[in-house]
Amino acid sequence: TQLLEQSPQFLSIQEGENLTVYCNSSSVFSSLQWYRQEPGEGPVLLVTVVTGGEVKKLKRLTFQFGDARKDSSLHITAAQPGDTGLYLCAGAAGGTSYGKLTFGQGTILTVHP
Amino acid sequence: DAMVIQNPRYQVTQFGKPVTLSCSQTLNHNVMYWYQQKSSQAPKLLFHYYDKDFNNEADTPDNFQSRRPNTSFCFLDIRSPGLGDAAMYLCATSRGYSSLGGYTFGSGTRLTVV
Repeated sequence: TQLLEQSPQFLSIQEGENLTVYCNSSSVFSSLQWYRQEPGEGPVLLVTVVTGGEVKKLKRLTFQFGDARKDSSLHITAAQPGDTGLYLCAGAAGGTSYGKLTFGQGTILTVHP
Repeated sequence: DAMVIQNPRYQVTQFGKPVTLSCSQTLNHNVMYWYQQKSSQAPKLLFHYYDKDFNNEADTPDNFQSRRPNTSFCFLDIRSPGLGDAAMYLCATSRGYSSLGGYTFGSGTRLTVV
């Protein structure tokens, strides 16, 4: 069973601060995705990273996939209250396994004005 | 816009009374998933359909069943809801088993058991 561990589980910061969320596993993933979920809504895909060492930027969000494709990070610069939500990483199995996503336990981010 | 729609958004059911949650999609994706999510935790996969093929997760209780009458619709049936089944139920779709395009989730149905 592939497991993804996210840290921290909770993050409460002031507007304007920077933060990093980590997603780690002992397993190799063919791809890794980050989702953001607002209260009462379903998760929304932010990004998919595929290549080891890949870095993708989405405005103030920077996503990195580890060289060995076992870990990933999400860095938010100058956080805003609108960034508040549950952030989920999800890894897809590779090889002959079908692409079922394994979700991390999530990071609840609260950005205070 | 192509999307995944779940109805109802909120469902209250009595302990032990069967309940059905519905999901429809206009994306023409061939894979549909049902997840259970409790209190800001990670979604937990219950089962999925690849076209008409049903795939149950090993730890999904027998109390949970699913039907997919056609490509667009998928239903989650809870035969005898218990208090522990109160949760957000999320439907998601994907095009095949390639996850590169990500899953498209519905807004969920929040189930309350009284």
